[in-house]
Amino acid sequence: DIQMTQSPSSLSASVGDRVTITCRASQNLNSNLAWYQQKPGKAPKLLIYKASTLESGVPSKFSGTGSGTEFTLTISSLQPDDFATYYCQQYHIYWTFGQGTKVEVK
Amino acid sequence: EVQLVESGGTLVQPGRSLRLSCTASGFTFGDYAMSWFRQAPGKGLEWVGFIRINGGTIEYAASVRGRFFISRDDSKSIAYLQMNSLKTEDTAVYYCARPVCEYSGYIWCYFDYWGQGTLVTVSS
Repeated sequence: DIQMTQSPSSLSASVGDRVTITCRASQNLNSNLAWYQQKPGKAPKLLIYKASTLESGVPSKFSGTGSGTEFTLTISSLQPDDFATYYCQQYHIYWTFGQGTKVEVK
Repeated sequence: EVQLVESGGTLVQPGRSLRLSCTASGFTFGDYAMSWFRQAPGKGLEWVGFIRINGGTIEYAASVRGRFFISRDDSKSIAYLQMNSLKTEDTAVYYCARPVCEYSGYIWCYFDYWGQGTLVTVSS
């Protein structure tokens, strides 16, 4: 099984901050990685797929980089609506998620 | 508008069975594979199973293999998750999701639409 290690597990940030979340895979994924945002009581929302492709309708303040085993999600300027939990998901072999990163108000 | 609506979640005793439904609308259901995920209270996301177009191939996570079974009725645009021999650790919100797939020998799919989820509580 492919293991996904996401860090940090939580972070505190202020509106306007630049935030970066990292995801490491236990084996090469090429670019088969997606990022999701989840708010309490809601379903996950796709933000990025193929490591760096922005899903239609997702603001360009979200960006993804990486390939192979190391990936990052960056939010360029945090807004109130962005406080949520973020998950990476590998889809190279079946599907596994990182543990999640909760972005909280500082 | 694409919509996925899960139903069937409830409180059930350990060892019993339950069937969840995922009713789709806003797209041609038969043209898509479908998948189920779950999220235990306060925990992360876990893939449960995946059914390809026409139900030709069905894959399961090791944690549910042999107990859970996925099927689909394309005439009704519904995917099902039959859960047998339920355990307390199966307690979770269950989501269905629509995949976007790239086929190149293997199949690589991410998920662009998710239902709102249905809660299954396994407890005596």
